[in-house]
Amino acid sequence: EPEVTQTPSHQVTQMGQEVILRCVPISNHLYFYWYRQILGQKVEFLVSFYNNEISEKSEIFDDQFSVERPDGSNFTLKIRSTKLEDSAMYFCASSDGEAYGYTFGSGTRLTVV
Amino acid sequence: LAKTTQPISMDSYEGQEVNITCSHNNIATNDYITWYQQFPSQGPRFIIQGYKTKVTNEVASLFIPADRKSSTLSLPRVSLSDTAVYYCLVGGGATNKLIFGTGTLLAVQP
Repeated sequence: EPEVTQTPSHQVTQMGQEVILRCVPISNHLYFYWYRQILGQKVEFLVSFYNNEISEKSEIFDDQFSVERPDGSNFTLKIRSTKLEDSAMYFCASSDGEAYGYTFGSGTRLTVV
Repeated sequence: LAKTTQPISMDSYEGQEVNITCSHNNIATNDYITWYQQFPSQGPRFIIQGYKTKVTNEVASLFIPADRKSSTLSLPRVSLSDTAVYYCLVGGGATNKLIFGTGTLLAVQP
C-alpha cells in the first residue's frame, strides 16, 4: 500500500530557530496538506497546496509558516522562528483528488524548548 | 461545514460488534460522510466513506439513514488492536480540507 513518508520522526529545536519538516507524498497525488495536533487536542488544518501554490490556509498558518514543493517528490513545511506553542505533531497528507479519503503520514513530533 | 457530534468514549470487549453513531444535523446535499481512525502518535487513517444507505468494506460498515442527519460506523468483532480514536467528518469533495472534532475513543478490553 502506498505511503506518505515524513522525516524526521522527532525534532527538538530551540525557540527562535528555523525548522523544516519534510514529506514525500504518494507519487501520483496532486493535492498536499499539512495538519498539526497539539498533545491531547484536535487535529487542526494548516494549509493545502495544489499546482505549486497554496489553495487554502488556516489562521494558524501565519507569516512564520511556509510550504514548498522544491522538486517532484518532496513537500516541506518551514517554520521560520519557532515558538514554544509550535510544539505538536505535524502530519502531512496527500490526495489524488478523485479517490475517497486522504493518506496521512506518521507525523513529525516537534518539540520547541 | 456541518458540525458533527459523537460520543467522547466507548468501551467494548474483544469479539464484540461496536457501533459508533455520529450526528450531523446540518449536513449539506453535496456532503459525504467519512470516518478516520487514529492510533496514538500516528496520523489519521481513512476507514470508510459514504453518501447514503449502506457501505461496506473489508474493515467496517457505514449505515446512513435516508435523512442523512446521522451515520453509524460498525466494526465487526473488534480486537485489542482496534483501540483508537474514531473521527466522523462531513464535507464535500476529495480535495477539501478536513475538519476534525474530538472523536470517539474506543477502548477494547480482553
